[in-house]
Amino acid sequence: QITLKESGPTLVKPTQTLTLTCTFSWFSLSTSGVGVGWIRQPPGKALEWLALIYWDDDKRYSPSLKSRLTITKDTSKNQVVLTMTNMDPVDTATYYCAHRKTYCSSGSCYPYDAFDIWGQGTMVTVSS
Amino acid sequence: SYELTQPLSVSVSPGQTASITCSGDKLGDKYACWYQQKPGQSPVLVIYQDNKRPSGIPERFSGSNSGNTATLTISGTQAMDEADYYCQAWDSSTVVFGGGTKLTVL
Repeated sequence: QITLKESGPTLVKPTQTLTLTCTFSWFSLSTSGVGVGWIRQPPGKALEWLALIYWDDDKRYSPSLKSRLTITKDTSKNQVVLTMTNMDPVDTATYYCAHRKTYCSSGSCYPYDAFDIWGQGTMVTVSS
Repeated sequence: SYELTQPLSVSVSPGQTASITCSGDKLGDKYACWYQQKPGQSPVLVIYQDNKRPSGIPERFSGSNSGNTATLTISGTQAMDEADYYCQAWDSSTVVFGGGTKLTVL
């Protein structure tokens, strides 16, 4: 079954750039309709969507964080990478990657408006 | 920017029906989905496309969406349903989450 796993540093200093990697299995980001997103959750707070990348390299970003985010994919490695610049203590959170739910028919996949499989999350603390 | 509003908390007695609302401007014109999140765990999709249940989600979970409000309904609520619930929708190709509702079963 589909799995995703986040990896990256657990501690970053203010003003540094955070780089997180999502490694996934049992689907391909070269298949039409497929997308992978990043979502974060500060301790005790709500989920916040960050970014999304599609099979065709279309990228979407949270309007409030767009200037600080970059999402890329490496199809050969089954990985999606998120970078966030100028980290601040308020960016302390658990960061999740997730698969956008799709249905597939006749060799093509079409996205639903939901994330059906999430990684376990990785906690990132921003502190000097 | 588009916003989704949920009540901070909802309480329900075991075996009763719990309803959690999610409000947004013309939300009924979009698809809404719902996630369940228990402490220390990743979110789990329980409803997508307003009212569809993913495989493995119990039938007691149902959803509706009309006008400005989407609703998650849990019939015959069980103690194991105690969790945080988040609604989510898309607006202009971006993803929006609600602020979350803590469901207490007591």
